[in-house]
Amino acid sequence: SQQGEEDPQALSIQEGENATMNCSYKTSINNLQWYRQNSGRGLVHLILIRSNEREKHSGRLRVTLDTSKKSSSLLITASRAADTASYFCASLRQGAQKLVFGQGTRLTINP
Amino acid sequence: AAGVIQSPRHLIKEKRETATLKCYPIPRHDTVYWYQQGPGQDPQFLISFYEKMQSDKGSIPDRFSAQQFSDYHSELNMSSLELGDSALYFCASSLGLWGTDTQYFGPGTRLTVL
Repeated sequence: SQQGEEDPQALSIQEGENATMNCSYKTSINNLQWYRQNSGRGLVHLILIRSNEREKHSGRLRVTLDTSKKSSSLLITASRAADTASYFCASLRQGAQKLVFGQGTRLTINP
Repeated sequence: AAGVIQSPRHLIKEKRETATLKCYPIPRHDTVYWYQQGPGQDPQFLISFYEKMQSDKGSIPDRFSAQQFSDYHSELNMSSLELGDSALYFCASSLGLWGTDTQYFGPGTRLTVL
């Protein structure tokens, strides 16, 4: 990947548990966005967090951003089988237009 | 709510052929982006347009060209196709030049080069 790193690369948990995915990036950013992708399908936008924000919530999703460590995390609480998908972080460097994606975390929720 | 529309959804071509992918952004969005996602890879930025002008360029091969039209739709033209061009091609749109807002992605065009 050009810039982003994500870990773990794969995560398998039981339904109802929480899932945490981490993302790191290399340059100063304007914002960081998280996307979800079901196998071979489109990218669905989940949440955007700006560089001056530290935490953001949306339903069962919680995103944190630590610009000093150039890292972000996505927490999915009370996971469901339908949350099974790949999750990508994508950073927008300051002054740029393009999103730079991490390698993605493949999340499997076991019923 | 209206989403980004891409056509065709699937495309099969032979080596050395040409392909044209189309993208219709969300209404009132003025910025369009193209990304390529190879099998098992993360999406890679190709090119973007704002108000019909190229605004940023990534790792787009010289064999590829793109443009944005007056109605804001965009087309990605790919010539002399190679096996390695087989990938998912996404178009995304947003409002504004600097992409500070959410980039909404279309469903993608799956290109297979045989």
